[in-house]
Amino acid sequence: GDSVTQMEGPVTLSEEAFLTINCTYTATGYPSLFWYVQYPGEGLQLLLKATKADDKGSNKGFEATYRKETTSFHLEKGSVQVSDSAVYFCGANYGQNFVFGPGTRLSVLP
Amino acid sequence: DAGITQSPRYKITETGRQVTLMCHQTWSHSYMFWYRQDLGHGLRLIYYSAAADITDKGEVPDGYVVSRSKTENFPLTLESATRSQTSVYFCASSVSAEVDSPLHFGNGTRLTVT
Repeated sequence: GDSVTQMEGPVTLSEEAFLTINCTYTATGYPSLFWYVQYPGEGLQLLLKATKADDKGSNKGFEATYRKETTSFHLEKGSVQVSDSAVYFCGANYGQNFVFGPGTRLSVLP
Repeated sequence: DAGITQSPRYKITETGRQVTLMCHQTWSHSYMFWYRQDLGHGLRLIYYSAAADITDKGEVPDGYVVSRSKTENFPLTLESATRSQTSVYFCASSVSAEVDSPLHFGNGTRLTVT
């Protein structure tokens, strides 16, 4: 069935380090891909999305490219800040079925 | 711009009691969803609704009941709460079922069943 796989966390980085969180999806159909961020005590907030192959979603310095050939949608940021500490979820919308990865907890140390 | 409002934010109840979690959205989105979030399981879909009076089961519907008499409200009822239903519950909405439609989430209800 449809599924999304994310790298296991937690991920701990120093401020200004480069961030990559890997995400892959099953190639059933042609889903749109999303990254969500969850801060403590809050719901998931949409961070960015991409709807077709080679699309790049970007927001707040984060970016991810829809790679159909590798079924991937890795999240990257060139220089993380302490305020980026949160849990990040990769998601795929297959139409009637929106599937999430397990989430990756990121901690950024000053 | 209120978005999605969930109430209560926190709830403690006893095993066997009925409890209802409320969800209200101001966008007139057609689709609404209930998820539960548990450590080790991520987000799991309980029920969803495509429109008023149309609901369908998700991945983990047992022990839950939903209704949608109005587009803006989608309450979730635990008819006889069990300890395994201790979780954080999130309501979400979406404009449509199109693949490019994102989900918009409320801030969640943390439910503890003792």
